[in-house]
Amino acid sequence: QVQLQESGPGLVKPSETLSLTCTVSGYSIANGHFWGWIRQPPGKGLEWIGSIFQSGYVSYNPSLQSRVTISVFTSKNQFSLKLTSVTAADTAMYYCARVALGTSSYFDYWGQGTLVTVSS
Amino acid sequence: DIQLTQSPSTLSASVGDRVSITCRASQNIGSWLAWYQQKPGKAPKFLIYKASSLESGVPSRLSGSGSGTEFTLTISSLQPDDFATYYCQQYESYSTFGQGTKLEIK
Repeated sequence: QVQLQESGPGLVKPSETLSLTCTVSGYSIANGHFWGWIRQPPGKGLEWIGSIFQSGYVSYNPSLQSRVTISVFTSKNQFSLKLTSVTAADTAMYYCARVALGTSSYFDYWGQGTLVTVSS
Repeated sequence: DIQLTQSPSTLSASVGDRVSITCRASQNIGSWLAWYQQKPGKAPKFLIYKASSLESGVPSRLSGSGSGTEFTLTISSLQPDDFATYYCQQYESYSTFGQGTKLEIK
């Protein structure tokens, strides 16, 4: 069974960089699939942030592209998210998930999510 | 970018009712649409892909239909476990989600 687990600081100061890691178990990232990040502000809807392949090929949401970096670490079976220059608008539950097929597809396995609050 | 608009935003219904949720895309997305269910404090659960294909293990009382710009999620006979928020997602170009439809008990 594929399982994903997000980890990282729950509180980030404005203007700083948000950094999260997703650890995958039950499936090797090196075997394929894209892996993505999605966020959900409190009480609001879902927003795709970006996705990465085991080769390092990435696809980002154009609205966040200038601030986002997603990286993959196949030896650790992990991938990560960095979001720079955060503001209160970046406060959200952050989920990592597996992309079912290809670059852009639905997400078939999700982590439980981690809440990140941007506040001084 | 492609926008998705769900209607209604909130739907009140009773156990046993048949209900439908609509998702409209701002441009033609073919059948590249998925549906998710989310309960409070939980991650979304994947239900349907390619507009009408049910994920393994999803109850057959759920069904999806549509293509192009208009899509529907139908629950034929509501069960207590179905009360949740539902999201559509397009994956024709990048990925975007609808704003969600909260299905609540009447």
